[in-house]
Amino acid sequence: NAGVMQNPRHLVRRRGQEARLRCSPMKGHSHVYWYRQLPEEGLKFMVYLQKENIIDESGMPKERFSAEFPKEGPSILRIQQVVRGDSAAYFCASSPSDRGPFFGPGTRLTVL
Amino acid sequence: KNEVEQSPQNLTAQEGEFITINCSYSVGISALHWLQQHPGGGIVSLFMLSSGKKKHGRLIATINIQEKHSSLHITASHPRDSAVYICAVRSPNFGNEKLTFGTGTRLTIIP
Repeated sequence: NAGVMQNPRHLVRRRGQEARLRCSPMKGHSHVYWYRQLPEEGLKFMVYLQKENIIDESGMPKERFSAEFPKEGPSILRIQQVVRGDSAAYFCASSPSDRGPFFGPGTRLTVL
Repeated sequence: KNEVEQSPQNLTAQEGEFITINCSYSVGISALHWLQQHPGGGIVSLFMLSSGKKKHGRLIATINIQEKHSSLHITASHPRDSAVYICAVRSPNFGNEKLTFGTGTRLTIIP
């Protein structure tokens, strides 16, 4: 059973471009969480999704950020018109309904 | 003030020493997690606790719900234990599914 998979592992974008981060949860896991770790800061919750539903997006910036977890395929975190302040490590985690999350290896986004 | 506080922020010890990392929180929780983040950045879940004590190898985690406090202990520490250790809680106050994190304790074990 493969762990949580994220790709790409490293992503470089210029200001104004779009960034798409992908997360494939562990097999059988229907809950996906996205967390962001800014340089020299702790992890912060962004969004919690179940299949085809956003359950809690209270940690998502109001503009430019969106997330989805379609019926088929990976969860996607999308950042439009990236700015330097979006440079961070973005971690995805998945869990079955009643146990703690398993983390992916993260995507390190660098905005030039 | 953060809802989850860890101490110390940084800890350097000699190989073989007994290590204690502390976590205090200010809200009612449904579970507390201890996570390990290595220099490469990957995060590993070490323990999930809602009461009492858990042990895995040289790692021991305890929680006191009444005092809102948890500790992570490492016995016979080794340089490979060098990492950032993060405490995180699930709470009905924050929406019970998501984790709220402490800022982490950076542990360095010197050979």
